Amino acid sequence: SQQGEEDPQALSIQEGENATMNCSYKTSINNLQWYRQNSGRGLVHLILIRSNEREKHSGRLRVTLDTSKKSSSLLITASRAADTASYFCATASFRAGGTSYGKLTFGQGTILTVHP
Amino acid sequence: EPEVTQTPSHQVTQMGQEVILRCVPISNHLYFYWYRQILGQKVEFLVSFYNNEISEKSEIFDDQFSVERPDGSNFTLKIRSTKLEDSAMYFCALVGGAAKGGRRDRYFGPGTRLTVL
Repeated sequence: SQQGEEDPQALSIQEGENATMNCSYKTSINNLQWYRQNSGRGLVHLILIRSNEREKHSGRLRVTLDTSKKSSSLLITASRAADTASYFCATASFRAGGTSYGKLTFGQGTILTVHP
Repeated sequence: EPEVTQTPSHQVTQMGQEVILRCVPISNHLYFYWYRQILGQKVEFLVSFYNNEISEKSEIFDDQFSVERPDGSNFTLKIRSTKLEDSAMYFCALVGGAAKGGRRDRYFGPGTRLTVL
């Protein structure tokens, strides 16, 4: 089964518009994180939302989490050309007896293109 | 200044050769991970390392792979006999350092692009 599947796979918008990306997962999680990756570069952590949280904000980012639907969304408001990147959700689940910083399971990502 | 760097940034090797990828943390970290990303695909977990031993590994992490922290600082991933399908970006990730509000941040390195010919 796939964990952390994003949609859409690609999103193209104009500068100033809002961008919404969705992520679905299948198993129970401890937290869900969103990362950005510029082409051919490393992963940059954007925001983390815990399983007992429903919404979180960070600057122009808003993340929601619906554990009943096993889904999350990332909203980028007032997008800029510099926001052009791939965006990944990643879920973290505790293993029984495991550490609180377990592995992350990533989705396929959404490629966001913001046109100036 | 980045929390973690990786060397080399790009490694080209012949099939069957051994490669060692290095992760160089800037400060003290507790948890170390390796992930890989085959071109155009999602990031996949390989292994986690805590307290100088492997705490979890994926099915990808077979006997051809090994990790160690030989000098207590650098964290290495060794692939003994590379295959064509090992071509990917390999990311090191770290958790640790100073806790902020009871939580430690996770940092990813810039990655090593491995090309197996």
